This record gives sequence, structure tokens and C-alpha cells, in this order.
Amino acid sequence: DAKTTQPPSMDCAEGRAANLPCNHSTISGNEYVYWYRQIHSQGPQYIIHGLKNNETNEMASLIITEDRKSSTLILPHATLRDTAVYYCIVRVGVSSASKIIFGSGTRLSIRP
Amino acid sequence: DAGVIQSPRHEVTEMGQEVTLRCKPISGHDYLFWYRQTMMRGLELLIYFNNNVPIDDSGMPEDRFSAKMPNASFSTLKIQPSEPRDSAVYFCASKSGTSSYEQYFGPGTRLTVT
Repeated sequence: DAKTTQPPSMDCAEGRAANLPCNHSTISGNEYVYWYRQIHSQGPQYIIHGLKNNETNEMASLIITEDRKSSTLILPHATLRDTAVYYCIVRVGVSSASKIIFGSGTRLSIRP
Repeated sequence: DAGVIQSPRHEVTEMGQEVTLRCKPISGHDYLFWYRQTMMRGLELLIYFNNNVPIDDSGMPEDRFSAKMPNASFSTLKIQPSEPRDSAVYFCASKSGTSSYEQYFGPGTRLTVT
């Protein structure tokens, strides 16, 4: 199972883009990269996922390097409500259910 | 949709007592997950069900923990007897196996065992 490495903490000014890096150098060809976040006292919330192409949705963009060994989650215009712990996860297992293993994540602080 | 519903939201109990946590998944979801979160160990998967059948319970810490899913709209996580080290936030999540990779989490139950 591929492991992920994230910085324990980051900060970003409100209104600027927040770029959260993740290393997953042992990722397999059929493993997806997922991002979740957890706002204080709430359950984790799905943000985005991708296999090898860059992805964008209403919350964020996901940039995956060509060798797939690392990725970056981009919050284009960070707000105070984006303060949370962000988890980069590589999906394990072969079934579509496959369990998500959460690491320690990156604590993102948005400063006014 | 109301989302994943968990009850109670907070539970305080004494060591040795039985504790039952409850979860109602999102209607139509066929996968249900139980997680535990502590400061020391982070967010851990305890067990998950598919179509009411337990698939992987390798994360269940010991025999004091048990989980059931008698039907598609209800699951319980029971701890008997409870110990102070069981104090944590317990999350339930559900997903649709055929149409979504996304797990939807409930608000959690904060358990304190004194």
C-alpha cells in the first residue's frame, strides 16, 4: 500500500492560493490520490480525487506529477473557513469500496 | 438528504459500563464505515460493512468492541466493558459502492469514559 508524506502544518494569507503538497513515491499504477479535509469538531469531508490527469471541481484543483510520485492540492482563493486538517490519501485495495487509510495530514491555517 | 446521522453526539460513562453508538447511513448507500479518532492515533478505520455484511474488522481493537448492521439503515458500535482509553470521537461514514468514491461522514460521537 502506498504511503503518503505531507508537511505537518502550513499557513496561507486569506484570498491567496493555498498549495498543499503530498508525496506518494510508491504509488501503484491503479491507485488513486484522494484529498479529504477535516474542519475542527466535524467529520472529514471529501474534496477531490484523481488518477493521473489534473482535476478541478468547485472546491479545489488537484495537480498530479507525470510520474505520479507527488501531487498538489490547490485552494485557489483561501478563506478563513478553509482552516482545517487536509489529508492526502492513496486508495488501498481492489474493490470499489476500498478502505481509506488516513495519515496525519497537514494542518492549514488561513490568516486574515 | 439529511446526511449520515449519529447518536448520541456526546456520551459520558463510567469505566465498566456498556456503551452503544448508533449510525444511520445515507439512504441508498451500501457501504458503512466506523472510524475512531484520538489525538495520539489520529483517524483509524475500525470496521466496514457492504450490504449489511462485515467485510473487514481488522481495525477493531479487541473483543470488547463489536459492530452490527441489522439492516441497510442502521448500525451500532458497542463497547462492553468500556475503559478510559476508549475515550475518542467515533465517526460513521457511508458511501455508494457503484457510483461514488466519496465517503460521507457523520458528525461523530464524542465518548468520554471516566
